[in-house]
Amino acid sequence: GQQLNQSPQSMFIQEGEDVSMNCTSSSIFNTWLWYKQDPGEGPVLLIALYKAGELTSNGRLTAQFGITRKDSFLNISASIPSDVGIYFCAGSYSNAGGTSYGKLTFGQGTILTVHP
Amino acid sequence: NAGVTQTPKFRILKIGQSMTLQCAQDMNHNYMYWYRQDPGMGLKLIYYSVGAGITDKGEVPNGYNVSRSTTEDFPLRLELAAPSQTSVYFCASIRGGTDTQYFGPGTRLTVL
Repeated sequence: GQQLNQSPQSMFIQEGEDVSMNCTSSSIFNTWLWYKQDPGEGPVLLIALYKAGELTSNGRLTAQFGITRKDSFLNISASIPSDVGIYFCAGSYSNAGGTSYGKLTFGQGTILTVHP
Repeated sequence: NAGVTQTPKFRILKIGQSMTLQCAQDMNHNYMYWYRQDPGMGLKLIYYSVGAGITDKGEVPNGYNVSRSTTEDFPLRLELAAPSQTSVYFCASIRGGTDTQYFGPGTRLTVL
């Protein structure tokens, strides 16, 4: 099946620093999604990307859909303590005229720790 | 709206026992999913359903069964629990035609 490789696995940063993480795939996706998971909770959608080359922002978060459709990037600017959590990329793929039925392939996650 | 709800929140099972993890959504979403999350890993799809009466296998279906008799409910059944099924289980739903999955809070299952 499709595999997503997410890096880095973990990050320890100081409050106020910028953060970058990325996801690469061995095959193409039509949709890239970025989720955040707080401890003891389910993932929550942060940003959705639907077109190759698309750059989308949500507050201090910016994500890009790679031109090759095999990668995506998430940047967090000016990190704050509540940014702590696990960030997941996810992708879905459907053939032309077909549907993915919303099925997602998830990366392994990036654990973010922010020191005040 | 309560969104996606899951019960129980925690459960410990002995090897060979069976149980049903409950999932319900009140958003009238057609599509529902069950994932498992192992430590340090992403979520892996167990089963999914595109509507009442329609279910299909995901990436890791062995040892599990599902049913979808109503739009709202999508229970996951473990018939003979094994230690390899120790994990956190998440249920999710979406409205058809979108990719924005709404996740429940999860069920933490330990099999001893």
